[in-house]
Amino acid sequence: KAGVTQTPRYLIKTRGQQVTLSCSPISGHRSVSWYQQTPGQGLQFLFEYFSETQRNKGNFPGRFSGRQFSNSRSEMNVSTLELGDSALYLCASSWMADGMNTEAFFGQGTRLTVV
Amino acid sequence: DAKTTQPPSMDCAEGRAANLPCNHSTISGNEYVYWYRQIHSQGPQYIIHGLKNNETNEMASLIITEDRKSSTLILPHATLRDTAVYYCIVRVRGGTQGAQKLVFGQGTRLTINP
Repeated sequence: KAGVTQTPRYLIKTRGQQVTLSCSPISGHRSVSWYQQTPGQGLQFLFEYFSETQRNKGNFPGRFSGRQFSNSRSEMNVSTLELGDSALYLCASSWMADGMNTEAFFGQGTRLTVV
Repeated sequence: DAKTTQPPSMDCAEGRAANLPCNHSTISGNEYVYWYRQIHSQGPQYIIHGLKNNETNEMASLIITEDRKSSTLILPHATLRDTAVYYCIVRVRGGTQGAQKLVFGQGTRLTINP
């Protein structure tokens, strides 16, 4: 069974540009969550999607957005990039709708560098 | 959100048991404790989780105190490949029905020494 796949693995963008990151969950998983990891703030929750609906959102500005498609694949978008957006962006998938008692599996992440 | 507190770093000799503590004194009754580890900024790897009973799997054991305010992850026979940052996490509800998220702390950097 293939794991969570994130593309691209590495990305370099210029301030002010926008970027789209992609996440393909494990087959059969319908919940997809996104996290940002930086040296200063650690791992922080961005948002969670289930059946194409955003169910939860973290404390990030509106420049950060996402969506989920009918095949459960998800994308996140960051507009008007700032230097502080440089981070490892991680996607995690779970198979249950109510996942309190279900492990989440993470992808390898996309390393975004803003210059 | 429930928060976790872990020591920033620990050392353990290869072949010995590694015991990683975690405090989560504000955890709510229906919130689970999860443990993940992360090696070289790869994606976090799931280890184990529990609610109030002790749990064991092929990787580790999880001991949760009766009041649920703290827990300990035990790696029974640590190897050099267990060197990683270990996160004790509380899975909390939020947003619309069914929504939940993992709330990460700063983790413990565990170094296994030969």
